Amino acid sequence: DGGITQSPKYLFRKEGQNVTLSCEQNLNHDAMYWYRQDPGQGLRLIYYSQIVNDFQKGDIAEGYSVSREKKESFPLTVTSAQKNPTAFYLCASSGQGKFSNQPQHFGDGTRLSIL
Amino acid sequence: DAKTTQPTSMDCAEGRAANLPCNHSTISGNEYVYWYRQIHSQGPQYIIHGLKNNETNEMASLIITEDRKSSTLILPHATLRDTAVYYCIVRVLGSGGGADGLTFGKGTHLIIQP
Repeated sequence: DGGITQSPKYLFRKEGQNVTLSCEQNLNHDAMYWYRQDPGQGLRLIYYSQIVNDFQKGDIAEGYSVSREKKESFPLTVTSAQKNPTAFYLCASSGQGKFSNQPQHFGDGTRLSIL
Repeated sequence: DAKTTQPTSMDCAEGRAANLPCNHSTISGNEYVYWYRQIHSQGPQYIIHGLKNNETNEMASLIITEDRKSSTLILPHATLRDTAVYYCIVRVLGSGGGADGLTFGKGTHLIIQP
C-alpha cells in the first residue's frame, strides 16, 4: 500500500548529539514537509520541499537541517543547536501542479527525547 | 491563511451524528477548508476538504455556509474510534502549486461516549 513511513518510532538523543529522522514516501508526491508537535499543541512547520534538491525554511527551522536528494526521501537532522528538541516529529507529503489543492498525508511520527 | 475558531471539546453519544463547528469569518475567495483528525500519538489523518460546495466522502460530510464564514464537519454515525482531536484548517494556495505548510491550531477534542 502507498504511504509515508517514518523511522524510528522512538528516538533518544544525548546532549550535544545530532540525530537524523527518516521519512520515506511511495505516493509519488512532489512536496514533503516536516512538522513539530509539542504536548497539547498544534503542529508547527519546520521545513518543506516542493521538489528534489530544493527546500525552504518553515516557521521554526533553527537547529534543524534537511536534504532532498531523492523524491521519495526527506530526512530531518536535529542538530545540537536545537536546545529543546524533545517533541513529536511528523512528516507529510502532498501532490502538486493540477492537484495543488490536494491534502497532505502524514506519517505516524517519531517521538524524540533527551537522555 | 485565515484564522479558524473551534470549540475546545465536545461529547457525542456512540451511534449518533457528531457535528463539529468551525468559524472562519475572514476566509477569502480562494481559500479551501480542510479537516484533519489526530488520534493520540499518531499522525494527523486527512478527512475532507472543500471550497464552497458541500462535500461528502466515505468518512464524513462537510457543510460550508453560503457566505463561507463557517463550516460543519459531520460524522454521520460516530463510533468510539472517532474519539480524536479534529482540526479545521483554512488554506490559501501558494505559488508553485500550494506546497506551503498547514497551520494547525489546537482543534476540538471530540469524545465519543458509549
